Amino acid sequence: AQSVAQPEDQVNVAEGNPLTVKCTYSVSGNPYLFWYVQYPNRGLQFLLKYITGDNLVKGSYGFEAEFNKSQTSFHLKKPSALVSDSALYFCAVRDWKDSWGKLQFGAGTQVVVTP
Amino acid sequence: GAVVSQHPSWVICKSGTSVKIECRSLDFQATTMFWYRQFPKQSLMLMATSNEGSKATYEQGVEKDKFLINHASLTLSTLTVTSAHPEDSSFYICSARDRRTSGGAETQYFGPGTRLLVL
Repeated sequence: AQSVAQPEDQVNVAEGNPLTVKCTYSVSGNPYLFWYVQYPNRGLQFLLKYITGDNLVKGSYGFEAEFNKSQTSFHLKKPSALVSDSALYFCAVRDWKDSWGKLQFGAGTQVVVTP
Repeated sequence: GAVVSQHPSWVICKSGTSVKIECRSLDFQATTMFWYRQFPKQSLMLMATSNEGSKATYEQGVEKDKFLINHASLTLSTLTVTSAHPEDSSFYICSARDRRTSGGAETQYFGPGTRLLVL
């Protein structure tokens, strides 16, 4: 069975500082990994995904994530956080064998960026 | 980018009534749509997978007779909460897979969600 863990319920960072949101995964085969962001009372917005290839994935709004197979991690990063980055972030994993493409989501990490 | 809409965005209903929520992919065709439920400050819980022209597949613990799903076309799936009760109050979110991509690389695009309050 596949699973994904986001060990931090909340991450606090000052505006302009680097932001990291952690994610580790467990899947039997090759993982497809995703990051989504959710603003209050809204659906999820796609940020980036890792399927194969370069371990460093660049996404929307200046975010990037690094796939680390040995550590089974896919941490989300942004070099300089903005107040507008304050939101709920979800890591998700899909088993490549699942033909329907079901995603398993982490519990979410609330990011709070202070001015 | 791919856009998914949901209607209504919020609904308040009386206990015992039925509520229909629509999920549409606006600029792409979706062979598969997913319905999720989200409680405050919690993660998304997959309720069911909806494939165009076939019966939906429900996750364990989800009552298929209570949450009726219809995927009549490649751009529309509906979720009907039948005989709604206060415990059904939640945020319901749909997502859609773009059929133009395949091989597992496709991204799920999410609707903005529907807030349901049952009184």
